[in-house]
Amino acid sequence: QSALTQPASVSGSPGQSITISCTGTSSDVGTFNLVSWYQQHPAKAPKLMISEVSKRPSGVSDRFSGSKSGNTASLTISGLQAEDEADYYCCSYAGSNTLVFGGGTKLTVL
Amino acid sequence: QVQLVQSGAEVKKPGASVKVSCKASGYTFTDYFIHWVRQAPGQGLEWMGRINPNNGGPNYAQKFQGRVTMTRDTSISTAYMELSRLRSDDTAVYYCAREYCSRGRCYSFLDYWGQGTLVTVSS
Repeated sequence: QSALTQPASVSGSPGQSITISCTGTSSDVGTFNLVSWYQQHPAKAPKLMISEVSKRPSGVSDRFSGSKSGNTASLTISGLQAEDEADYYCCSYAGSNTLVFGGGTKLTVL
Repeated sequence: QVQLVQSGAEVKKPGASVKVSCKASGYTFTDYFIHWVRQAPGQGLEWMGRINPNNGGPNYAQKFQGRVTMTRDTSISTAYMELSRLRSDDTAVYYCAREYCSRGRCYSFLDYWGQGTLVTVSS
């Protein structure tokens, strides 16, 4: 299983929108609508932000949204806030009861 | 409330084994898979495998096959991850996490995480 591909870093100014891509293959992202996204602040455990491509758990701001097209999933954060600065990871079901994570994207709020 | 509480930090020598525990509370332990994910210093998240607490059946990432063993003790709602033949590049924070399941189906996302356990492998 190869890791999903994410950009190493993205940045945006407060109030702007950014999108983080997550590219897999037809064996994972492309076949299963089981992509999730996690936010991780330094020295903290990851936090679930999006499940099943586009579902937002209770308590997660509606500024976070997810989508998928073909083998690529995306996380969009609108109205950027300073507290959004963190690392973001995508994750997909990869068949045979396995998961695969992306390499992670560092979001900087300028 | 749902909580996953992991055992404390460990320091091991190369070639040794380490066993990390993950005690669950606030839900029915046998209704949800437990996953193990690790993160080397400054690196990303890496999926290691999962265990079905109901029947003890594990699924391991190919990379760790033969070196990792996931078990559970339902009497104390605790899952375990043992990694053997440790190397310096196994130095990482190891997390347990719960996979959301409902009505007999599981959805491959991790809704609750433990606080992490730092395992340091050094001679």
